[in-house]
Amino acid sequence: DVKVTQSSRYLVKRTGEKVFLECVQDMDHENMFWYRQDPGLGLRLIYFSYDVKMKEKGDIPEGYSVSREKKERFSLILESASTNQTSMYLCASRLPGGNEQFFGPGTRLTVL
Amino acid sequence: GQQVMQIPQYQHVQEGEDFTTYCNSSTTLSNIQWYKQRPGGHPVFLIQLVKSGEVKKQKRLTFQFGEAKKNSSLHITATQTTDVGTYFCAGPLIYSGGYNKLIFGAGTRLAVTH
Repeated sequence: DVKVTQSSRYLVKRTGEKVFLECVQDMDHENMFWYRQDPGLGLRLIYFSYDVKMKEKGDIPEGYSVSREKKERFSLILESASTNQTSMYLCASRLPGGNEQFFGPGTRLTVL
Repeated sequence: GQQVMQIPQYQHVQEGEDFTTYCNSSTTLSNIQWYKQRPGGHPVFLIQLVKSGEVKKQKRLTFQFGEAKKNSSLHITATQTTDVGTYFCAGPLIYSGGYNKLIFGAGTRLAVTH
């Protein structure tokens, strides 16, 4: 079974802090994704990476950056956390050109 | 840009009643996927439909892909409390480089009363 893990289930940070969210997958998937999920808005894509060191902006990249130094790991960085970044963050991976996305358990981030 | 719209946003049914959620895309889709997210959980892939007019069944769940490949539906027969959750549809947006990303609908949250 594909396993996608995220570094924290719950995280509380203060405004202005730099925040790192880590995602690791164990199935050698080339493609990885970061979403945020907010009530009534569904899943919105922040960034994705189709291979190591490659990244593409999604629909809402402002205030975020990413890093993909190794195939299994995709990091989401909030350079200076703000209260409007309080959300559920979901990481996903899949095979290239493929279909099914495998999601991690999510990190619920609260920015005070 | 490409949009995927889902209705209703929320539905509350009595156990044993049927439930349907509808998904509409602003553009023709090469395929459509459905995911289920249980309360407190993460989205889990249910199925993918590829062909125009395709119908697939998974026990009490019936998935349809429209003839024009712009809409889809998920129908649950005789709902059970285990069906509770949010159902998302998603369609691919294909980039010129050949890779694609999924555009998700906002989801339909299903509540089932025993």
